[in-house]
Amino acid sequence: SYELTQPPSVSVSPGQTARITCSGDALPKQYAYWYRQKPGQAPVLVIYKDSERPSGIPERFSGSSSGTTVTLTISGVQAEDEADYYCQSADSSATGVFGGGTKLTVL
Amino acid sequence: QIQLVQSAAEVKKPGASVKVSCKASGYNFLSHGITWVRQAPGQGLEWMGWISAYNGNTNYAQKFQDRLTINRDTATSTAYMELRSLTSDDTAVYFCARGNGYECDSWGPGTLVTVSS
Repeated sequence: SYELTQPPSVSVSPGQTARITCSGDALPKQYAYWYRQKPGQAPVLVIYKDSERPSGIPERFSGSSSGTTVTLTISGVQAEDEADYYCQSADSSATGVFGGGTKLTVL
Repeated sequence: QIQLVQSAAEVKKPGASVKVSCKASGYNFLSHGITWVRQAPGQGLEWMGWISAYNGNTNYAQKFQDRLTINRDTATSTAYMELRSLTSDDTAVYFCARGNGYECDSWGPGTLVTVSS
């Protein structure tokens, strides 16, 4: 089955830039989506179609794509950004899939 | 505002079935699909499937093909997820979200399903 690969954890200091990657063979052909999830809460969409930002999401969140890897970048990380982040995409039959998730720690 | 209200927590025995509802409000129900995602305790998100609210077409993850049914009632703007032949591995929080399989921009609070003998 199709898989998306994320690093289990990323750590940054406040004010620095966090980059979370997501790799998958179908990513050149399928859009990626990013979600933030805090403990005990439902996920929140923070990036859609590789690089679009929903209304209400701070400008410090951005997305990019290059080949089989997409990247979520959080510039000027704040303590409130500490959360689990998941990428999502689809396989060739349009079946959805999530990456394993990345725990962002703000030191 | 967009709201997805899910049914209450359930406790089921192994081998049983569970049906979780998701009532949508605040938008045109027919214009968006409903996607179902689950999360086992301490684990990541797992995509289960989605339904087009417009025509009822569905797409299920291969893993759930033989025991998952997603349907909807357009009269009440409600989507349903039924999972059969439950085992302890199905203990999880089940989320519904507005989205055609992806781009899930609004989520329900989740429904905890516990499978235990």
